[in-house]
Amino acid sequence: GENVEQHPSTLSVQEGDSAVIKCTYSDSASNYFPWYKQELGKGPQLIIDIRSNVGEKKDQRIAVTLNKTAKHFSLHITETQPEDSAVYFCAASINAGGTSYGKLTFGQGTILTVHP
Amino acid sequence: GAVVSQHPSWVICKSGTSVKIECRSLDFQATTMFWYRQFPKQSLMLMATSNEGSKATYEQGVEKDKFLINHASLTLSTLTVTSAHPEDSSFYICSVSTTEAFFGQGTRLTVV
Repeated sequence: GENVEQHPSTLSVQEGDSAVIKCTYSDSASNYFPWYKQELGKGPQLIIDIRSNVGEKKDQRIAVTLNKTAKHFSLHITETQPEDSAVYFCAASINAGGTSYGKLTFGQGTILTVHP
Repeated sequence: GAVVSQHPSWVICKSGTSVKIECRSLDFQATTMFWYRQFPKQSLMLMATSNEGSKATYEQGVEKDKFLINHASLTLSTLTVTSAHPEDSSFYICSVSTTEAFFGQGTRLTVV
């Protein structure tokens, strides 16, 4: 089955700096790669996603890049703010149509701390 | 995106008893829902796929007789943890997918 590795496990930055989190996946058939932000005691919140027919996607301060050949994808957060502090998870799935987007394999998570 | 609501948000039960967790899709008719489990400071692991009107599909290593899933309508799936034990204490989260996957707020189960 799919295996997703995520690094680093913890990341500490100063407010205004950029943060980068990287993930690799094992199954070349995976074609959907979402990123989630999880705050303490809450469910994961989708922040951005990318599909295998796209190399990069940006939404304001957040961007995701995908390298299918190398089987890795990355989350980039620019101009970080204290409220960005949370646990971030990458995930991968094989979308065969319909609801298969929901069958996700998650990375181990990255604890991001943004210091004011 | 889809709005997913879980109930209860937290529950404490005695060892040996059963507890039911509800997952509702508030604005989307979901033929499929997913149940995940998350132990403290760990990642989310898929437990099972809940299929409306048919049997759930369980991931390898998940006991189907212990974690009973019922998906009786397009907006409601329930997970019942039967004969709960302290090792079942965890954060249980459901999700609904359209062209993306959206999660509920989770249910913290503590078995004492």
